[in-house]
Amino acid sequence: DTGVSQDPRHKITKRGQNVTFRCDPISEHNRLYWYRQTLGQGPEFLTYFQNEAQLEKSRLLSDRFSAERPKGSFSTLEIQRTEQGDSAMYLCASSHDRASNYGYTFGSGTRLTVV
Amino acid sequence: GENVEQHPSTLSVQEGDSAVIKCTYSDSASNYFPWYKQELGKRPQLIIDIRSNVGEKKDQRIAVTLNKTAKHFSLHITETQPEDSAVYFCAASIHKLSFGAGTTVTVRA
Repeated sequence: DTGVSQDPRHKITKRGQNVTFRCDPISEHNRLYWYRQTLGQGPEFLTYFQNEAQLEKSRLLSDRFSAERPKGSFSTLEIQRTEQGDSAMYLCASSHDRASNYGYTFGSGTRLTVV
Repeated sequence: GENVEQHPSTLSVQEGDSAVIKCTYSDSASNYFPWYKQELGKRPQLIIDIRSNVGEKKDQRIAVTLNKTAKHFSLHITETQPEDSAVYFCAASIHKLSFGAGTTVTVRA
């Protein structure tokens, strides 16, 4: 396990379609985060899990977005009825709440383009 | 929620000079302050971080200072090199990260 893995790396979809992204965190990390980053901006927090529990959701996360982390391992982020404004880089990060620096590590991201 | 402001938005320095980026945060409960370097099309990479019980930390050419009373922290890069050119983000955290808007650093050869 060398880091946080995200799949796919790129996704092009037509407006109105549903998309699902996957994140595999570092295996010993108990926290998993989703962020969204648009060009020229810093990553924006979407939601996070501690183990399998989703503990916080940003107001940025509309009803079209849903995230899961069954069994506290990998996570999926689904966007339903995609809109052009959903085009962004979706970053996953994991950490451990007992590590001295939390061990925040980002994945390479999934770049979503909605046409 | 936490609000992090970062300045400047762009910074151009001559190779060998120093670069300083400053951030302020709003939530006094924040206790962890990482700095990330992001190159075009790549993931943010952690370059240095500091916890709230420490005032300063240094790693080779990079240092970070934290003033908890004033709620601001800064990144200092000395002897800049062309490979330091990138976008740098500060962040503040209790558990989730709140990012600044980023500073585009250009090191002129």
